[in-house]
Amino acid sequence: GQQLNQSPQSMFIQEGEDVSMNCTSSSIFNTWLWYKQDPGEGPVLLIALYKAGELTSNGRLTAQFGITRKDSFLNISASIPSDVGIYFCAGHYNQGGKLIFGQGTELSVKP
Amino acid sequence: DGGITQSPKYLFRKEGQNVTLSCEQNLNHDAMYWYRQDPGQGLRLIYYSQIVNDFQKGDIAEGYSVSREKKESFPLTVTSAQKNPTAFYLCASTYASGTVKFFGPGTRLTVL
Repeated sequence: GQQLNQSPQSMFIQEGEDVSMNCTSSSIFNTWLWYKQDPGEGPVLLIALYKAGELTSNGRLTAQFGITRKDSFLNISASIPSDVGIYFCAGHYNQGGKLIFGQGTELSVKP
Repeated sequence: DGGITQSPKYLFRKEGQNVTLSCEQNLNHDAMYWYRQDPGQGLRLIYYSQIVNDFQKGDIAEGYSVSREKKESFPLTVTSAQKNPTAFYLCASTYASGTVKFFGPGTRLTVL
């Protein structure tokens, strides 16, 4: 079946540094989503991407839908302590179809 | 405020007991989903329902059961047949043709 590989699995960075994480798929997707999950809470949607090549920003976050439709990237600029959490990518092939999740990237920010 | 609620937040169960997790949404979403999350892993789909009185198995449905008698509610029962039920359970919902899923706050189930 479809699989998503998300990397890195974890990151330990200093406050103020930029962060980059990515997801690659064995199949093409029509939609890429990025979620953030705080400890003990449900994931919250950060950015949704609907078109190959699309680059979308949400504050200090920027995500891109890869041209091949098999990958996506999330960048966080000037990290702050509240960025701590687990970031998930998710891909969707068709409307109403199954959403496939990556394994998550756990981000730790040292003040 | 519109949203998804899950209760309880924490649940403890003895081995051999069935337990039901609640999920309610007032977003008027058509579809609802249950996911299981284990440490260091992504979300795995247990069951989903796209309309009332209908639901389908996800990737790890064994040992679980659901019902969808109302549009707003999608309870999940973890049965004694589930061999390793300790996990964080997340409910989500979306419109019928939607791709973005909105998640509830989760229920952490611990089997003692």
